[in-house]
Amino acid sequence: DSGVTQTPKHLITATGQRVTLRCSPRSGDLSVYWYQQSLDQGLQFLIQYYNGEERAKGNILERFSAQQFPDLHSELNLSSLELGDSALYFCASSVGAGGYEQYFGPGTRLTVT
Amino acid sequence: GESVGLHLPTLSVQEGDNSIINCAYSNSASDYFIWYKQESGKGPQFIIDIRSNMDKRQGQRVTVLLNKTVKHLSLQIAATQPGDSAVYFCAEVSQTGANNLFFGTGTRLTVIP
Repeated sequence: DSGVTQTPKHLITATGQRVTLRCSPRSGDLSVYWYQQSLDQGLQFLIQYYNGEERAKGNILERFSAQQFPDLHSELNLSSLELGDSALYFCASSVGAGGYEQYFGPGTRLTVT
Repeated sequence: GESVGLHLPTLSVQEGDNSIINCAYSNSASDYFIWYKQESGKGPQFIIDIRSNMDKRQGQRVTVLLNKTVKHLSLQIAATQPGDSAVYFCAEVSQTGANNLFFGTGTRLTVIP
């Protein structure tokens, strides 16, 4: 158990809908990272927050957004969902902002039908 | 941009043998490299890391080798066990750009009992 929690574990929704994925980092970690993993693909970095502020942006679509709250939990919002958005979404956390020693949560499996 | 790739998508080894998983990276400015293990249905699990000022680092049954001259990273697993069966990802962090991890596609390791 990495100490990073994600909810929900599974999510099934229809095209055009909007969903929110939630992540709670390990105790003491200030950074939260979001990744997308499509079937048989590697992990694609989406976005990083550090202590409530956006720190780095990767391949995140404009339809997607995220935020980190004062209690350091983070939410990833996915809107106008398309079939191609079906994937595993992982959250990771680390103590610092430098990307080092990231610990991953169990992921949320999103299925868009 | 950074890119991390793997030489072999699959690797099968006999239980008890040593495994070597290879990875090539393209960004010579990357200063930190990590190996992750991902079992089916789980999030990536941190195995071992190495900084660019080192060429070898050992953990429990695992060794990571870094060859900066040819931009090559390898993970050696000694006395491979059935529980080592998983997908292994290498990832790099570059401090010259966004401080996030760039992952390769992964190598699936299958241990034959």
